[in-house]
Amino acid sequence: EVQLVESGGGLVQPGGSLRLSCAASGFAFSTHDMHWVRQVKGKGLEWVSAIGKAGDAYYSVSVKGRFTLSRENARNSLYLQMDNLRAGDTAVYYCARGYCSGGTCHPHVDVWGQGTTVTVSS
Amino acid sequence: QSALTQPPSASGSPGQSVTISCTGTSSDIGAYNYVSWYQQHPGKAPKLMISDVNKRPSGVPDRFSGSKSGNTASLTVSGLQGEDEAEYYCASYAGSFTLVFGGGTKLTVL
Repeated sequence: EVQLVESGGGLVQPGGSLRLSCAASGFAFSTHDMHWVRQVKGKGLEWVSAIGKAGDAYYSVSVKGRFTLSRENARNSLYLQMDNLRAGDTAVYYCARGYCSGGTCHPHVDVWGQGTTVTVSS
Repeated sequence: QSALTQPPSASGSPGQSVTISCTGTSSDIGAYNYVSWYQQHPGKAPKLMISDVNKRPSGVPDRFSGSKSGNTASLTVSGLQGEDEAEYYCASYAGSFTLVFGGGTKLTVL
């Protein structure tokens, strides 16, 4: 079964740091791009960051310079280091798999984890 | 990168068809044939329903279809069923691995 399991969320003060992890199973992790998407409670989805198969990372304007995305293919794991957190970063963070079909990968996401909640508050 | 624009709500009776629009710009929807649609039930993770403007991943009913014209994409749900009641989000590739999502449309089956 294809599965993504996020961990590492919690309560942190403004200016603090958290490291989110995403454990992948049931598929060839190293052959997929991976993404983080967040959702404020009761609101829409917001793309946060993505990392290619080769480890090249990309960020939304809202988190660039504060978040760092990395992957460890040998451990089938994805990591999001979040520094200098702000109240506006409060959300459920989803790990999501880049979509590949018929040997071709497309810039969408298909499999999502259940999310981990990050709360930034004093 | 600004969010794509979706109507906040849509509705239809069982068996009817409903279409949800998603408006972007020439930098996202208008630039790429990489529009996707996601269905999200309360408390659940989103589910990919449409990729590449109009392709259904395995397991998605053919009642769901997608299209695009210029900077606007659309999702049509035909033969509405109660289980289709959910929040629907569009998304588009915007270059350099970036995705931009719509604000979501709550679909109500009357």
